[in-house]
Order: sequence, then C-alpha cells, then structure tokens
Amino acid sequence: KNQVEQSPQSLIILEGKNCTLQCNYTVSPFSNLRWYKQDTGRGPVSLTIMTFSENTKSNGRYTATLDADTKQSSLHITASQLSDSASYICVVSDRGSTLGRLYFGRGTQLTVWP
Amino acid sequence: EADIYQTPRYLVIGTGKKITLECSQTMGHDKMYWYQQDPGMELHLIHYSYGVNSTEKGDLSSESTVSRIRTEHFPLTLESARPSHTSQYLCASSSPRTTNEKLFFGSGTQLSVL
Repeated sequence: KNQVEQSPQSLIILEGKNCTLQCNYTVSPFSNLRWYKQDTGRGPVSLTIMTFSENTKSNGRYTATLDADTKQSSLHITASQLSDSASYICVVSDRGSTLGRLYFGRGTQLTVWP
Repeated sequence: EADIYQTPRYLVIGTGKKITLECSQTMGHDKMYWYQQDPGMELHLIHYSYGVNSTEKGDLSSESTVSRIRTEHFPLTLESARPSHTSQYLCASSSPRTTNEKLFFGSGTQLSVL
C-alpha cells in the first residue's frame, strides 16, 4: 500500500533555532516529492518540489533533501521565525499521467515560541 | 501568489440544506481538484476535472457533486448536508504546462453542519 509517513507529529522550538522534519514514503513508482506549508485555516502553499534525480533543493530558509534509494526526505528550517508556525505536509507523486496520483502525509505541526 | 479563490471561507448550516461551495481560478489552468481535510489528517481527493465538461470522482467516497462548465469555475454542491460533512474543503488547480505541474490551493471553506 502506498503511504507517506511524517515525523514528528508535532514539534515545538524556540525562535531562532533550527529544526528538521522527516518524511518516509513507500510510493512506487516515484515521480516527485513536494513539501507544502499550511497555515491554520488556510490552503497549503508549495515550498519545494524534487524529482528523482534531485537530492537537495532550497527555498530561502527551507532546505529539502531526498534520498530516493531509502525513500526518505527531510525538510530543514534554519533560524526559525514565529511565522514558521504551521503544518508542513509531505506529498509524493507516482508516475503515470502528468501530476500522477498524489499521496499526502498527515503533516508535522510546528510551533515556534518567542 | 496563487490566483485561486474560494467562497465562503466559513459556513455554518443546518442539516438537510443544499449548499454550493465556490471555487474560481484566474490562471487558465485546465486541471482542478476538490480535497477534504479533517484536523490532523491527510488531504483526501473527492473530485477532479481535467477540463471543461470533464469531472471524475476521487478516492474518497463523497455525496457531493461538481460541475465544470467554464475553465475558471469548479463549484462543489451538497444536495442535503449532514453533520458528517463537517470538514474543511480545499480547491486546487494545476497546469501540465508548468514545471513539475505545481499545485495551487485556495484558502479553503470550513463547513460546519449542525
């Protein structure tokens, strides 16, 4: 069964600290992996998209890594800010038609305290 | 900034009422989607469309219906709302002409059925 598992389920850090969120998947075949940020009560916003051949991609203070062999991805947030408080969702797409089938994780709820 | 809009943002209605959730995008995207999301859970695809006059059911069994008469408009209708329909509904759109077919989400409609 194709699945996307994220850890931890929730995380609290102090402003200015770094953190790393994990995503493990069993989706096969694999096309790409996306990280989204979802503020409370809003829709998800894309942070990064990585294909099979990419193992790292940055977007400002967000850096995503991908190990397609072990089927693991991480999202590293540097120098956290209060506005980083949100749910971070890992989404994996399988091959096939364009966009393929999307498999969503349940997200990691990050809270940044001052 | 995504140009995809959902109305209303919040809706509280009584059981048995008919409701329509609106979704519009100004990006000219062919593909549009409706997702349902409960707190702390993954997004579930309930309907999608690959273009005008094209609609398909998603993975999650839903008592809702959709229509796609115009490219920019993808409304979702519940003929008779029930408390089990209480959830957040997210509309999204994408285009195969964009790199890695990025998915853009609206801000969502939080529906509460009493």
